[in-house]
Amino acid sequence: AQSVAQPEDQVNVAEGNPLTVKCTYSVSGNPYLFWYVQYPNRGLQFLLKYITGDNLVKGSYGFEAEFNKSQTSFHLKKPSALVSDSALYFCAVSYTGRRALTFGSGTRLQVQP
Amino acid sequence: GAVVSQHPSRVICKSGTSVKIECRSLDFQATTMFWYRQFPKKSLMLMATSNEGSKATYEQGVEKDKFLINHASLTLSTLTVTSAHPEDSSFYICSARARTGLNTGELFFGEGSRLTVL
Repeated sequence: AQSVAQPEDQVNVAEGNPLTVKCTYSVSGNPYLFWYVQYPNRGLQFLLKYITGDNLVKGSYGFEAEFNKSQTSFHLKKPSALVSDSALYFCAVSYTGRRALTFGSGTRLQVQP
Repeated sequence: GAVVSQHPSRVICKSGTSVKIECRSLDFQATTMFWYRQFPKKSLMLMATSNEGSKATYEQGVEKDKFLINHASLTLSTLTVTSAHPEDSSFYICSARARTGLNTGELFFGEGSRLTVL
């Protein structure tokens, strides 16, 4: 079984400030972890993934995420938020590269000018 | 690269009719496609896994006779909502895994199709 929790429905941050969107996971075995972003009435865009290797993963648009095995977390971060980062962010997990992804409930990021 | 095209993006139909949604991988071959359904302000719920040339595998609670999935080629999967009812109104999103993504699990998503059943 695999599951993902995104504890925050919404995160508000001022433009230029650092942002964090939280994600914790539960999976049997080694996790494949992903972050996707969704803009209104659009599909999902891939941001970054962790499979193996360095715990700090860098992705698109200046986003990064840190894999923490002991805390089973994979928080999304960005040093300096932009208004254009405002969107819905999904964390996803799989325990293998062949299965579908299980998504968290999503966190709406609102960046204020 | 890795573009997934989904059509139509919006469709409105009358109750009792059937609607077909197409999902195409434009620049890669997708042996596996996944169909998700997204309710307003909710996460994506996996409906079924579609493998090229074989029957789709449906998640528990998803009616296979209502949501017909066909994956006839390595670049095309279709979802047909049969005898649609207002409760079928939703945002349907397809995703595909490229052959090169078999070991990394990355999925590429279509733009979604918003179905409204009157």
